[in-house]
Amino acid sequence: GDSVTQMEGPVTLSEEAFLTINCTYTATGYPSLFWYVQYPGEGLQLLLKATKADDKGSNKGFEATYRKETTSFHLEKGSVQVSDSAVYFCALTLSAAGNKLTFGGGTRVLVKP
Amino acid sequence: ETGVTQSPTHLIKTRGQQVTLRCSSQSGHNTVSWYQQALGQGPQFIFQYYREEENGRGNFPPRFSGLQFPNYSSELNVNALELDDSALYLCASSPTPQSQETQYFGPGTRLLVL
Repeated sequence: GDSVTQMEGPVTLSEEAFLTINCTYTATGYPSLFWYVQYPGEGLQLLLKATKADDKGSNKGFEATYRKETTSFHLEKGSVQVSDSAVYFCALTLSAAGNKLTFGGGTRVLVKP
Repeated sequence: ETGVTQSPTHLIKTRGQQVTLRCSSQSGHNTVSWYQQALGQGPQFIFQYYREEENGRGNFPPRFSGLQFPNYSSELNVNALELDDSALYLCASSPTPQSQETQYFGPGTRLLVL
């Protein structure tokens, strides 16, 4: 079946450091790929998405590129802030499945001042 | 603020009991999906309702059931609760079953089964 694997956390960084969270997927067909963020006490929020190979999603300084050849969608940010502390989830959906999401296990990120 | 609300925010039940969780969708959204998020894990898709009909189900037993009402609010019912049902339950509403960027999640209901 379809699945998403992400690096385990927690990831602890200092402010202004570079952040990378690895995400790889297994899917039958060509999925759309997403990164969601869950801030403490809040619901999941869509951070960015990409729908086809080589697409780059970006939002709030975060970027991820859909790499079909490596089945990956790694999340990056060049300079993190304390406010980026959250749990990040990589997810996919297939067109036939509409917006029913398959999520990875999540990566907790803690940014220290 | 997504406009998706869930109630209650927390509850505690004992094994074997039944529970009903509620979700109020964003205005104009006719699709609602439910997810189970166990502690330290990613959300898992339970089922989706579209215009009051079930529109897909994940790998959950029949004791997980749902309803969607004409005003598109929704309920998740779980019978014969087990300890492993302890989790955060999320609902997400969207204008259609294909809407991706306009699917919004509620804050969740945290269920503890003792």
